[in-house]
Amino acid sequence: KNEVEQSPQNLTAQEGEFITINCSYSVGISALHWLQQHPGGGIVSLFMLSSGKKKHGRLIATINIQEKHSSLHITASHPRDSAVYICAVRIRGGGADGLTFGKGTHLIIQP
Amino acid sequence: DVKVTQSSRYLVKRTGEKVFLECVQDMDHENMFWYRQDPGLGLRLIYFSYDVKMKEKGDIPEGYSVSREKKERFSLILESASTNQTSMYLCASSSGGHSNQPQHFGDGTRLSIL
Repeated sequence: KNEVEQSPQNLTAQEGEFITINCSYSVGISALHWLQQHPGGGIVSLFMLSSGKKKHGRLIATINIQEKHSSLHITASHPRDSAVYICAVRIRGGGADGLTFGKGTHLIIQP
Repeated sequence: DVKVTQSSRYLVKRTGEKVFLECVQDMDHENMFWYRQDPGLGLRLIYFSYDVKMKEKGDIPEGYSVSREKKERFSLILESASTNQTSMYLCASSSGGHSNQPQHFGDGTRLSIL
């Protein structure tokens, strides 16, 4: 079962480019998370969304509940943005805070 | 800042051994989670706990058990380690209730079963 699909799986871009990573899901959700994982393993929570749009620095996350779709944008990308970006959803009615994850998008920003 | 600490970054064990992975959080979070992460499969939930001595199976609990004797500590146990349990294991915690709260992750334990 692939309840959360991310695209692209891999993305290589030049420094300064505008980056978009997409996430589609097939179930009703109560929240969607965007996570960042750097080489070495540690995961950082970037955003949690249930509607609309959020912005933090050069990162913007949007969600369209009706279309079951979210995007993560990076403006003025930098090599330090190179990481795996993971979309995760909390399924509506799911117990506690259990999340269902996409497989991640591996982003490389070249100088 | 929330701190989720996993006891080991790298661990090598032998088939058949009983393996303990420890996770401690310092933010008095009610919810704690154990995930494994494998190439091409992403993160998958093994077990979670929403209170001391409480545990719930996730998507892939087979071959694992957990223990939550204290609020800050959540242990993952491989009863008899097998090679297919070689993976990256990640612990996370979040504050309680059914409200949407972000999960805070540890740095992961890369476990190899030989």
